[in-house]
Amino acid sequence: EAGVAQSPRYKIIEKRQSVAFWCNPISGHATLYWYQQILGQGPKLLIQFQNNGVVDDSQLPKDRFSAERLKGVDSTLKIQPAKLEDSAVYLCASSQTVTSGYEQYFGPGTRLTVT
Amino acid sequence: GESVGLHLPTLSVQEGDNSIINCAYSNSASDYFIWYKQESGKGPQFIIDIRSNMDKRQGQRVTVLLNKTVKHLSLQIAATQPGDSAVYFCAETNTGNQFYFGTGTSLTVIP
Repeated sequence: EAGVAQSPRYKIIEKRQSVAFWCNPISGHATLYWYQQILGQGPKLLIQFQNNGVVDDSQLPKDRFSAERLKGVDSTLKIQPAKLEDSAVYLCASSQTVTSGYEQYFGPGTRLTVT
Repeated sequence: GESVGLHLPTLSVQEGDNSIINCAYSNSASDYFIWYKQESGKGPQFIIDIRSNMDKRQGQRVTVLLNKTVKHLSLQIAATQPGDSAVYFCAETNTGNQFYFGTGTSLTVIP
């Protein structure tokens, strides 16, 4: 079974520039998550999709971050404009919607450096 | 937001010993807890989970204990191996929405 794919793996941009990240979840997984992980901290959930609908985006800085999941499969996360404090690893995860648990499968992440 | 924290940021153990990693959570409404392992440069990897209606759950070499009275979660790793060296996170959620991760504990296994 193929895992969660993310691209790019690394990105360096200057502040005030824009950047986009792409995620392809595991086939058949209805739920998709985007996390921000700052160095030395645990992942922070930015947005959670169920199919192509948003379940939770309470911690997404909506003035600069946006995300979409068209057709309920791939997803993109965008930052516009970027700030220095956005430097982090952006993780995508997916899970099946089952009643037995919420095991999430994570991709390798995209390491963003804002200079 | 909710608070999920760990008592110790680092832990060093001898190979073959047992490891115990602790976690405190603050939301008494959380009904599902997960332990993840994260190796350098990789995304977190699921280890074991437990629902709030359970006190203990065992997997292969790992055991999770849940004490709802004091809102405490622990991960026990038996016969720790060098491959267990990583950062371990606990996470909590209420019915699968709003997942909150702790800060993490870095486990180092000394050969």
